[in-house]
Amino acid sequence: DSGVTQTPKHLITATGQRVTLRCSPRSGDLSVYWYQQSLDQGLQFLIQYYNGEERAKGNILERFSAQQFPDLHSELNLSSLELGDSALYFCASSTNTGGDTGELFFGEGSRLTVL
Amino acid sequence: GESVGLHLPTLSVQEGDNSIINCAYSNSASDYFIWYKQESGKGPQFIIDIRSNMDKRQGQRVTVLLNKTVKHLSLQIAATQPGDSAVYFCAETLGSGGYNKLIFGAGTRLAVHP
Repeated sequence: DSGVTQTPKHLITATGQRVTLRCSPRSGDLSVYWYQQSLDQGLQFLIQYYNGEERAKGNILERFSAQQFPDLHSELNLSSLELGDSALYFCASSTNTGGDTGELFFGEGSRLTVL
Repeated sequence: GESVGLHLPTLSVQEGDNSIINCAYSNSASDYFIWYKQESGKGPQFIIDIRSNMDKRQGQRVTVLLNKTVKHLSLQIAATQPGDSAVYFCAETLGSGGYNKLIFGAGTRLAVHP
């Protein structure tokens, strides 16, 4: 158990809809990262938050947004969903105390299926 | 289980043999590399890391080799066990100064046969 909790584990929805994925980082971790894992793209970095502020951005679509709350949990919002958005979405956390350690602790992911 | 990476290259080994998983990374400026293991239905799990000022690092049953000249990284697993069956990803960092983001390779599926 990595200590990172993601909900829901599975989600099925229709095209055009909007969903919210939730992540609780490990206790004490200030950084939260979101990744998308699809069959043909592998693990793609989406976005990172550190202590409530956006810190780094990757290949995140404009239809997607995220935020990190004062209690450090994070939400990834996916809107106007398309079939191609079907994927596993992982959240990861790290202490990121200022060093450049890359050790991330991943949750078990949220599997999104868009029909 | 998850159907991640149906098109991944697969390395098949016999239990007890040594495994070598290779990775070509993309950015010559990357200065930190990590190997992750992803079992079916789970998120990636840290195995071992190496910085660019090193060319070899050993852990428990695992060794990572870094060749910066050809931008190549390898993971060696000694005495491979059935529990080592998983998808293995290398990752490189493209950031510094207190934050980072990892860029993952495509992954290799390791299948261990008894």
